[in-house]
Amino acid sequence: DVKVTQSSRYLVKRTGEKVFLECVQDMDHENMFWYRQDPGLGLRLIYFSYDVKMKEKGDIPEGYSVSREKKERFSLILESASTNQTSMYLCASSWQGEWYEQYFGPGTRLTVT
Amino acid sequence: GESVGLHLPTLSVQEGDNSIINCAYSNSASDYFIWYKQESGKGPQFIIDIRSNMDKRQGQRVTVLLNKTVKHLSLQIAATQPGDSAVYFCAENWMDSSYKLIFGSGTRLLVRP
Repeated sequence: DVKVTQSSRYLVKRTGEKVFLECVQDMDHENMFWYRQDPGLGLRLIYFSYDVKMKEKGDIPEGYSVSREKKERFSLILESASTNQTSMYLCASSWQGEWYEQYFGPGTRLTVT
Repeated sequence: GESVGLHLPTLSVQEGDNSIINCAYSNSASDYFIWYKQESGKGPQFIIDIRSNMDKRQGQRVTVLLNKTVKHLSLQIAATQPGDSAVYFCAENWMDSSYKLIFGSGTRLLVRP
């Protein structure tokens, strides 16, 4: 079974802090994604990566950056956390060909106070 | 478990009945349509996909129907079971946006014993 793990289930940070969310997948997938999920809004794509060191902006990249130094690991960085970044963050990975069949991690619930 | 959304449309069905979850999509040029299931406290899980050149696709206990004329997608679950209780998201891929899925806001399915 594909496994996507995220470093924390729950995280509480203060406004202005730098926040790192880590995601690791064990299936050698080429693609990795970061989404945020807010009530009533579904999932919105923040960034994705189709290869090591490659990244593309999603629909809401402002206030975020990403890093993919190794194929299995994709990090989401909040340079200076703000209260409007309080959300559920979901990481996913997929094969290059069937990119739409994404395997999700359990999510990180981030609260910024 | 984690609450996905507090104000989602909800479908309540009796165990053993068939369920139909509907979704209106936005872009007539979308190429892929996908259904995901999200159980409480977990990340979304891929269920089934359908390409725009098809109008029906069947999986195990699930059928997806695509009506491009009215931009409507539906997921039918046969003989609904308690384990089907979850939030269901439809997603579409716009042909000019590779690797990007646009998710709907979700429908909660409650299965009554």
